[in-house]
Amino acid sequence: DIHMTQSPSTLSASVGDGVTITCRASQSIIGWLAWYQQKPGKAPKLLIYKASSLESGVPSRFSGSGSGTEFTLTISGLQPDDFATYYCQQYHTYPYTFGQGTKLEIK
Amino acid sequence: QVQLVESGGGVVQPGRSLRLSCAASGFTFSSYGMHWVRQAPGKGLEWVAVISNDETKKYYADPVKGRFTISRDNSKNTLYLQMNSLRADDTAVYYCAKGPVGHFENWGQGTLVTVSS
Repeated sequence: DIHMTQSPSTLSASVGDGVTITCRASQSIIGWLAWYQQKPGKAPKLLIYKASSLESGVPSRFSGSGSGTEFTLTISGLQPDDFATYYCQQYHTYPYTFGQGTKLEIK
Repeated sequence: QVQLVESGGGVVQPGRSLRLSCAASGFTFSSYGMHWVRQAPGKGLEWVAVISNDETKKYYADPVKGRFTISRDNSKNTLYLQMNSLRADDTAVYYCAKGPVGHFENWGQGTLVTVSS
């Protein structure tokens, strides 16, 4: 199975800050990576697919990059609505696997 | 718009069975592969199973292989997850999810399954 490791596990930031979350795969997944945002009690929401493609309706302050085994999600100019938990997911090989999550907290 | 509505969750004793359903609307159900993803309380997301649009391909996560069966009825626009020999570590919110490829652009609201004596 492909293991996905996110860092950091927790991130504290202020409104207006820029932040980056990293996701590393245990083997190359080329660019078959998605990012999700999840708020408590809600289903995850797709932000980014194919490593860097922005899902329709998602604000442009979210961006993704990377290929192979290392990927990043960047949020530029944090808004109050962005404080949530973020997950990466590989869909190169079954079983699909998720990172353990990064909780973005208000500083 | 796309809607996915799960049902069938509840409290069940270890070793018993439960069947989850996911009613789909707002898209051509028979054209898409469908997935189940679960989330244990306070934990991260775990992919469970996928079924191709025509039911010819099915894949499962190792923890559920041999115990869970994914199926669908394209005439009813409904996805199913038959869960047998349930264990305490199957306790989770179960989501159905749709994606054009392997990422999930639409999710249901989830249904909670609690395995407890």
